[in-house]
Amino acid sequence: DAGVIQSPRHEVTEMGQEVTLRCKPISGHNSLFWYRQTMMRGLELLIYFNNNVPIDDSGMPEDRFSAKMPNASFSTLKIQPSEPRDSAVYFCASTEGTSGRTDEQFFGPGTRLTVL
Amino acid sequence: SQQGEEDPQALSIQEGENATMNCSYKTSINNLQWYRQNSGRGLVHLILIRSNEREKHSGRLRVTLDTSKKSSSLLITASRAADTASYFCAPINQAGTALIFGKGTTLSVSS
Repeated sequence: DAGVIQSPRHEVTEMGQEVTLRCKPISGHNSLFWYRQTMMRGLELLIYFNNNVPIDDSGMPEDRFSAKMPNASFSTLKIQPSEPRDSAVYFCASTEGTSGRTDEQFFGPGTRLTVL
Repeated sequence: SQQGEEDPQALSIQEGENATMNCSYKTSINNLQWYRQNSGRGLVHLILIRSNEREKHSGRLRVTLDTSKKSSSLLITASRAADTASYFCAPINQAGTALIFGKGTTLSVSS
């Protein structure tokens, strides 16, 4: 298996533009997680899905952020409009089971977002 | 808060030395996981220790858990330059449904 796939790997955009990050979890995995990592705040959980259903989105910073998982093999994280403070590395992770608290998480390589 | 706190924030050692990193947390846990992150990469799972376990080994890694002190430690023996990375703990409480990471310990191993 290729592991968790994220695209793009790097994204540079201007403030106010819409940004869409994509994730393909490991085939057969039932849970998917979106994280954001910055030097100041560390690694923050944004949202996670079990069987394509959003379970907890309390980490989503504000309404400018939205995430979808239309099927078991694809998820998107959208920021509209983007702001410079959204600059970070965004990680997607998946687990085989539906218990995010007991299962090993497999991380993708991340998307480095820079908002100018 | 479910978040763990790693200590020290940074650690520099020579190849061949042992590296010890600590994690403290505040709530009762179901299990605690350790992850490694190489620069510019995603996190990689290292080991999971359950609340009823006190020690676990995996290769050169040794993890201990003291639930009475709400702390865990990760020991890397005979360190190598390739062990240079950030290490994160993620304690999972009974009601927790997802991992919450601390800010990690940055380990530098020089040859």
